[in-house]
Amino acid sequence: ETGVTQTPRHLVMGMTNKKSLKCEQHLGHNAMYWYKQSAKKPLELMFVYNFKEQTENNSVPSRFSPECPNSSHLFLHLHTLQPEDSALYLCASSQAGQGWRNTEAFFGQGTRLTVV
Amino acid sequence: KQEVTQIPAALSVPEGENLVLNCSFTDSAIYNLQWFRQDPGKGLTSLLLIQSSQREQTSGRLNASLDKSSGRSTLYIAASQPGDSATYLCAADYGQNFVFGPGTRLSVLP
Repeated sequence: ETGVTQTPRHLVMGMTNKKSLKCEQHLGHNAMYWYKQSAKKPLELMFVYNFKEQTENNSVPSRFSPECPNSSHLFLHLHTLQPEDSALYLCASSQAGQGWRNTEAFFGQGTRLTVV
Repeated sequence: KQEVTQIPAALSVPEGENLVLNCSFTDSAIYNLQWFRQDPGKGLTSLLLIQSSQREQTSGRLNASLDKSSGRSTLYIAASQPGDSATYLCAADYGQNFVFGPGTRLSVLP
């Protein structure tokens, strides 16, 4: 266990469904991230939250909607997804210091999403 | 554009060999560099973190070096074991973004 927990571990959803991915960290970190890992592609940063404020959004389609209610929890709300959105979605956390100098980043086990 | 590459893409070695995995990054203005291990379908496990001011870090059979000026890092694995089989990823930390390489898929044969 890395201290970052993601649920569910697997999710199959239709293109018209609405679902949410959850991430929880027990490390006292102040920054949380969503990454997407598609087959044969490097991890892609989707969203970054620092002190609960979204600071990065790498041109992610609006069908993905993040929510960070507090520094320990991060959600990714999904609606009207496409089959190409099928991927492993990874959550990470770190302690972002002055000038965004991060400590070691810890990742969750990921949610394997399949859109049918 | 900040990019990270890793060589080789895949590596297969017999048990007991020492091996080196390479990571290169285009923008040397990193805060730190981190090496991860990923087992199939799983999340990432942090192996080593090297701060930009450091040259190397060691943990057990693993040693990672960093040459910031040339944009390179290497991960050295001593006396490889079948349990080391996994994909190894390096990530350059540029502050609000960890830029990942595509990974090196390692197979250690018994």
